[in-house]
Order: sequence, then structure tokens, then C-alpha cells
Amino acid sequence: KAGVTQTPRYLIKTRGQQVTLSCSPISGHRSVSWYQQTPGQGLQFLFEYFSETQRNKGNFPGRFSGRQFSNSRSEMNVSTLELGDSALYLCASTPTSVGETQYFGPGTRLLVL
Amino acid sequence: EDKVVQSPLSLVVHEGDTVTLNCSYEVTNFRSLLWYKQEKKAPTFLFMLTSSGIEKKSGRLSSILDKKELFSILNITATQTGDSAIYLCAVHKRGSTLGRLYFGRGTQLTVWP
Repeated sequence: KAGVTQTPRYLIKTRGQQVTLSCSPISGHRSVSWYQQTPGQGLQFLFEYFSETQRNKGNFPGRFSGRQFSNSRSEMNVSTLELGDSALYLCASTPTSVGETQYFGPGTRLLVL
Repeated sequence: EDKVVQSPLSLVVHEGDTVTLNCSYEVTNFRSLLWYKQEKKAPTFLFMLTSSGIEKKSGRLSSILDKKELFSILNITATQTGDSAIYLCAVHKRGSTLGRLYFGRGTQLTVWP
């Protein structure tokens, strides 16, 4: 099976701009989760989508949003970028069975200048 | 508040050394604890632990869970330079969605030749 893919891999934006990141899960996986990883905070949960519905959300401001399409592909959007949004954004694909692990994509490295 | 704490945050050893990485957790409704290795970008799955006292092994890596004392250790024997990575510990809670993991900040392991 192909793994989790994320695009783009690297992105440079300036403050105030917005950005959209994309994630394609492993075929057959309907759950997609997003995490933000920074050196100081580690991996922090952003949100989880399942069958096009957001079913869990972390403690992030409303500037962070996401959606999932009928083919399970997911996008996350960050509006009005701030310097502190610079991070590695990881997408994870989860099977629907309890006891299965998450599979991570390579991430999108976002730098906000 | 749910917490996952890893120690040490950083560790430098020489090839051939044995290392022990620690993960303690304070979460309600614990289901499982997972270990991941992150070398470049995508964390890769190592172990999932659900029962106390049962050691999981994969080559030179092993891990065990103590649900009474609420911690897990990851041991790496005869370390190699290829073991240099960030090791992440995560907890999955009962009643939480499948894609929602609670991560520690990680341990950065550097193995010198």
C-alpha cells in the first residue's frame, strides 16, 4: 500500500498570509488527524476528520481549520499566519479498527517570515 | 489535564552503549501507549503496549509498560549511529477517537561513532 502523502513538503510564507496543506491517507483509511510539531512543544493535536466530519479538535485558535473530502483526502488551512505558526505539520492516517496504530506522512515544513 | 512526559529530553551516547528512555503519563481512561521513532520527518511506529509487564521486542529495541506506576521505558541495546532520532511516546485514551493521540515532547537521541 502507498503511504501517507503530504503536499507541499516545504512552504515559506509571510505574516498575514494564509496557507493550505494537503494530506492523502493510506487507501482504505477514513480517519485523518493533523498535528503541529515544534521543538518546544512536541506534537500537538490539531484536529481529526472521519468520513468528512470533524470529530475531535485540539486547543488551537480558529485560524486553524480543516476539511475532509469524500475520497478521505484532507486539507488544513491556516489564515492570518503568525511567526509562531512556523512548524512541521504532520498528517496521520488511522485504520478504523481499535488497536491499530496511526501512520504518519512526511510532513509539511512551514516557515513564516 | 492529560499529560505525557518524556525524559530525558536529550541524550548523547557512543555506539555500543545501552540507553533507556522514559515515558510517564497521567491520563484518564488509558487504553494504550505507543512508541514512535522520528528520524527525518515521518514518525514511524515501534511498539504499542496495552498490558503491564509484557515486554515487546524488536531486534535491539524493547519496551515495557507499568500501568500501576503509569510509565513505560524503551530500551535500546548496542546502539548504532542509525538509532539517532527523536523517540516519541504517545497515549491513546479509551472513549477517545481513534486518531487522537497525546504525545510527549520526545527524547532526542544522538549516537556518536
